[in-house]
Amino acid sequence: GEDVEQSLFLSVREGDSSVINCTYTDSSSTYLYWYKQEPGAGLQLLTYIFSNMDMKQDQRLTVLLNKKDKHLSLRIADTQTGDSAIYFCAETSDRGSTLGRLYFGRGTQLTVWP
Amino acid sequence: GAVVSQHPSWVICKSGTSVKIECRSLDFQATTMFWYRQFPKQSLMLMATSNEGSKATYEQGVEKDKFLINHASLTLSTLTVTSAHPEDSSFYICSALARGEYNEQFFGPGTRLTVL
Repeated sequence: GEDVEQSLFLSVREGDSSVINCTYTDSSSTYLYWYKQEPGAGLQLLTYIFSNMDMKQDQRLTVLLNKKDKHLSLRIADTQTGDSAIYFCAETSDRGSTLGRLYFGRGTQLTVWP
Repeated sequence: GAVVSQHPSWVICKSGTSVKIECRSLDFQATTMFWYRQFPKQSLMLMATSNEGSKATYEQGVEKDKFLINHASLTLSTLTVTSAHPEDSSFYICSALARGEYNEQFFGPGTRLTVL
């Protein structure tokens, strides 16, 4: 199956930038997503990027995609304590039999220190 | 964004009983819903894909007779854990697929199942 890999932990100080990295193996990925999960809750879509894009910025969030290296990153500017959560990278493709199916990484636990 | 609800949010049951979990898309119709299972500090594991009006497609290793899925309407899918055992204790999350500009899944808040 498709593999999505992430580092498991990241700690930053409040106000600094956070960069969470993700690699994937599926060359036919069409969309790549970043989800946030707070304790005991479901997943919240933060942002997504289409595979023909290199970068997407949305307020404090910047997504960079290197399709050649199959590397995706999420940068959070001015990280706040409220950003502490688990961040999941996910990808999907438009293959008919698996339409809509997401492949998730294991998640990166972001801890923000005051 | 679109809202997906799950009920109950948590449930505690005795070993051997069956538990039904509901997943509803509140403001959109979803022909496809997904059921995931998440162990502590682990990623989401896709259990099955639920399609309205047809049988669910189960992932390899997931027992279809133990995890019964029914998607009887465009806004409701149910997961029934039959004859639950302690090893079935987990966090179950559903998502509903919204077709449009891109295929976005909206996730429910999850159901914490504890089997004693």
